[in-house]
Amino acid sequence: AQSVAQPEDQVNVAEGNPLTVKCTYSVSGNPYLFWYVQYPNRGLQFLLKYITGDNLVKGSYGFEAEFNKSQTSFHLKKPSALVSDSALYFCAVRDTTGRRALTFGSGTRLQVQP
Amino acid sequence: EPEVTQTPSHQVTQMGQEVILRCVPISNHLYFYWYRQILGQKVEFLVSFYNNEISEKSEIFDDQFSVERPDGSNFTLKIRSTKLEDSAMYFCASRPRQGTYEQYFGPGTRLTVT
Repeated sequence: AQSVAQPEDQVNVAEGNPLTVKCTYSVSGNPYLFWYVQYPNRGLQFLLKYITGDNLVKGSYGFEAEFNKSQTSFHLKKPSALVSDSALYFCAVRDTTGRRALTFGSGTRLQVQP
Repeated sequence: EPEVTQTPSHQVTQMGQEVILRCVPISNHLYFYWYRQILGQKVEFLVSFYNNEISEKSEIFDDQFSVERPDGSNFTLKIRSTKLEDSAMYFCASRPRQGTYEQYFGPGTRLTVT
């Protein structure tokens, strides 16, 4: 069975500082990994994905994520946080061999303080 | 930019009643999904649909649930006899074609069963 863990319910960071939102995963095969963001009263918006290739993937709004196979992690990062980045962030995984649907983490609320 | 749309945004129904949640996926997308998120919990996969049939479903998707693509644009989720525990946010998602992996989500329908 596939699973995703987001160990932090909330991350607080000052505007202009780097941010990291953590994600670890478990799959039986190789993972496809995703980050989504949810703003209030909006659906989940796709940010970035790792399918294969370079471990560092870049996505929308200056976000990036690093795939680490040995640590089974896919942490979301941004060099300089903006107040407008404040939202709920979800990590998701899809197994290449088993279930094709996305399995989501519980979400991490990012709060960027001015 | 094309978006997945969902109607209604909020549905209140009495226990035992049937509800139909509607989604219009992005035009030319081929894969369709329903997920739900009970308040404070993870986003959970319900069902995927491709080529006019269910391709995968979770253990949540029991006989009370059904999906349909009645025409070329709508994708519906029906709950035959709602229970209190069906109260949740229901998200529709779509994906363009084989070989693409990210899913695009609608804003959700909040279902409240009283």
